[in-house]
Amino acid sequence: AQRVTQPEKLLSVFKGAPVELKCNYSYSGSPELFWYVQYSRQRLQLLLRHISRESIKGFTADLNKGETSFHLKKPFAQEEDSAMYYCALRGNSGNTPLVFGKGTRLSVIA
Amino acid sequence: SAVISQKPSRDICQRGTSLTIQCQVDSQVTMMFWYRQQPGQSLTLIATANQGSEATYESGFVIDKFPISRPNLTFSTLTVSNMSPEDSSIYLCSALGWSNTEAFFGQGTRLTVV
Repeated sequence: AQRVTQPEKLLSVFKGAPVELKCNYSYSGSPELFWYVQYSRQRLQLLLRHISRESIKGFTADLNKGETSFHLKKPFAQEEDSAMYYCALRGNSGNTPLVFGKGTRLSVIA
Repeated sequence: SAVISQKPSRDICQRGTSLTIQCQVDSQVTMMFWYRQQPGQSLTLIATANQGSEATYESGFVIDKFPISRPNLTFSTLTVSNMSPEDSSIYLCSALGWSNTEAFFGQGTRLTVV
């Protein structure tokens, strides 16, 4: 069964502090992993995906197949990073829907 | 990229009535999906809207309660039938572009059933 686990419902950090949002997954195969973000009063949007190996807004995420994790990290949090973050998984067959974790609300305190 | 417009953005409905939510994409997409996000919960997939055929429903969701249409590659509707307060939720439309690498989302429909 496909499952995405985000253990933290809420994460509060001070501005300038490092951030790590945890995500673990369960999938029998090689999934695609994503991080989606929802800022206040905005729609859900893609932040980054593991296949791109890119850094977006200072965030990075590395897929660790051994630990089945895809944690989201940023070295120095900014106030504008405050948002709801969802880790999501999709099977590798292509046209399949996303399976989401429960989300972590990140609050960056000035 | 694709821009998804959903309407209505919110509604308050009487129990026992039905509401149809519309989802319009500004470009042709391969797949369209409907999700539900109950208060404090994650997004739960309701169904995959198939163009020209019956939708594919996830466990716990049935066509009689959530009939879905997708008459073409850019438009879909979700109806929430015979509503009860437990149906109060945010309903989200999502679409996959032709590259199949990114899913796009509508702004959601916030439904309150009283």
